[in-house]
Amino acid sequence: EADIYQTPRYLVIGTGKKITLECSQTMGHDKMYWYQQDPGMELHLIHYSYGVNSTEKGDLSSESTVSRIRTEHFPLTLESARPSHTSQYLCASSVGETYNEQFFGPGTRLTVL
Amino acid sequence: ILNVEQSPQSLHVQEGDSTNFTCSFPSSNFYALHWYRWETAKSPEALFVMTLNGDEKKKGRISATLNTKEGYSYLYIKGSQPEDSATYLCAFSGSARQLTFGSGTQLTVLP
Repeated sequence: EADIYQTPRYLVIGTGKKITLECSQTMGHDKMYWYQQDPGMELHLIHYSYGVNSTEKGDLSSESTVSRIRTEHFPLTLESARPSHTSQYLCASSVGETYNEQFFGPGTRLTVL
Repeated sequence: ILNVEQSPQSLHVQEGDSTNFTCSFPSSNFYALHWYRWETAKSPEALFVMTLNGDEKKKGRISATLNTKEGYSYLYIKGSQPEDSATYLCAFSGSARQLTFGSGTQLTVLP
């Protein structure tokens, strides 16, 4: 079954730790996205990729970085986590020119103490 | 900065009631309007992609309309059921093709 996966689902970590949030999709989609959502607020685009070795920053400035070495994999890394990074992070993917309909993973809820 | 607004922010209805929510978006450079349903602890699920002024889409008891000239879309749920409880998100796609999301309408259907 084609799907989009995110791990971990929940993460509580101390300040200063390096973390990587994983995102994988089995749909063969070229385009992938990372969104950040604070409680009660909108999803904000922080990174996107239109293919292997292509990454761009989104509308919301983020201290995180991403990589796209394989089509199916789009991990997000925080080199030194801070309490201000506490949020929910959602990964999504889309294919070609289908009005950019995006398919979402279940999200990672990150808490930095 | 694009402004996509949803109202109401939250809504409680009784089982069997019909309800509707609003999404307001920029009326210029319109490409598409997306509706998603997001249940707690699950992935947001696409409901509709609407592209033409006057579009009406329907999936079971849920339907949506689109007015691109005035920049709004309505989502209707007929005969709400407890399983309809979720946050309903709309997202505007303009000339840049990226999605700009509203903050959602949180619906609770009381049995």
